[in-house]
This record gives sequence, C-alpha cells and structure tokens, in this order.
Amino acid sequence: EADIYQTPRYLVIGTGKKITLECSQTMGHDKMYWYQQDPGMELHLIHYSYGVNSTEKGDLSSESTVSRIRTEHFPLTLESARPSHTSQYLCASRESYYNSPLHFGNGTRLTVT
Amino acid sequence: AQTVTQSQPEMSVQEAETVTLSCTYDTSESDYYLFWYKQPPSRQMILVIRQEAYKQQNATENRFSVNFQKAAKSFSLKISDSQLGDAAMYFCAYRSGSNSGYALNFGKGTSLLVTP
Repeated sequence: EADIYQTPRYLVIGTGKKITLECSQTMGHDKMYWYQQDPGMELHLIHYSYGVNSTEKGDLSSESTVSRIRTEHFPLTLESARPSHTSQYLCASRESYYNSPLHFGNGTRLTVT
Repeated sequence: AQTVTQSQPEMSVQEAETVTLSCTYDTSESDYYLFWYKQPPSRQMILVIRQEAYKQQNATENRFSVNFQKAAKSFSLKISDSQLGDAAMYFCAYRSGSNSGYALNFGKGTSLLVTP
C-alpha cells in the first residue's frame, strides 16, 4: 500500500496552461524527489529536496519548479505547458539513512496537446 | 555522473524457470549502494533488492538474489522459480555514498515477460 500519493493520475491539457502536479507522503521523510520517465525509458531526476525550504535541480534540465513548504508536500509546477512536457512524472521519498530505498508514488501521466 | 547500463531491453522466461537480468555501472567511488526496482504495467515502482558496496555477501530476498561483482562493476539480478506476477520492467539503480542528494541513477530498464 502506497504511503506516497500523486494526483492527478492522468492529465490532458492544452498548450500554455499552468499546471501543478501534487505529491504527498505520510511517512515523515525528509528527502523527496521528482523523476521524469518517458515510455520504455529510464528515469531522469529533475528535482529533489533535503527537507523544508530546500530544493535543488536534478540532472535533467526541466522548465518545471518545485516547492517544499511542508515536509509531507512536494508539488511540481509547470507555468506554461508544452507538448515536449508530455511524459510520466514520478514522485519519490526516502528516509535519511544511506541505504534507504526510494518509495514511489503511482505517477502522473501528463499529455500536453 | 555515474552511468548504469542494462544491456537487455527485453527478456523472456517460462514460469518456474530462472532468469538473470544484467546490470553494469561506471563509477570511481568505493562507497555506493545498488538497487533493483520492479515496475509492473501501470503500477507503482517497488524495491526488489538492495546491496551495499562494502558488503561482500550477495543480497537475497526470497526468490530474488544478486550477483555483485565489485571489481567488474556488475550487479545482476537472478529471479528463481519465476511467476506470472514477476512480469514487469526491472530497473537497476545506483546511489552515491558521498554526494548529490543521494538520488538514484537508473538504467534504461529490462522488460521481463513471463510465459505460462
């Protein structure tokens, strides 16, 4: 059973719209991550956070932004969606010890038309 | 950044048989962690098994085991007594022990088909 929740599960929107993908976890984890995954491809890190008020960009350049005002909440925002943003977005969190595994949400599959 | 290579885009195994998925990685670090994750179709990514680089003993979780060869930078996953529910994408992942938000670097994945 997932303790990390992503909404919406699927989203189809038009070009130019502002969208926010929600991610919440109930495990009290400090570290949270956003990955982007195209079909049949590997996951690419786009943002991460060590804790409240901490956000960093990942290896893959992204036009999205994130915020971390509360430990449990790590939303991702696209100010102006484009077709190139069409992808699956996976949120994950983990405890702070070294070999702690990532816990993933179910993902948001975004389609920008 | 460390790279993770999964050279088998697709693998197939018969139910009850054994299959091995390959993974190699490139790193200059001595302290790191390795993971295998499973992603069933349209379902949540879940951890299968993990290995600390400082441990010589290969990790085992029920039907899943790894062959960790540190010198060769190889980390293969063996699935014994394969079941239909094992069908999924399998991702190998690397985490640095020393920096970079301790995020995971993933391979491209191997799609495992299990046939009756």
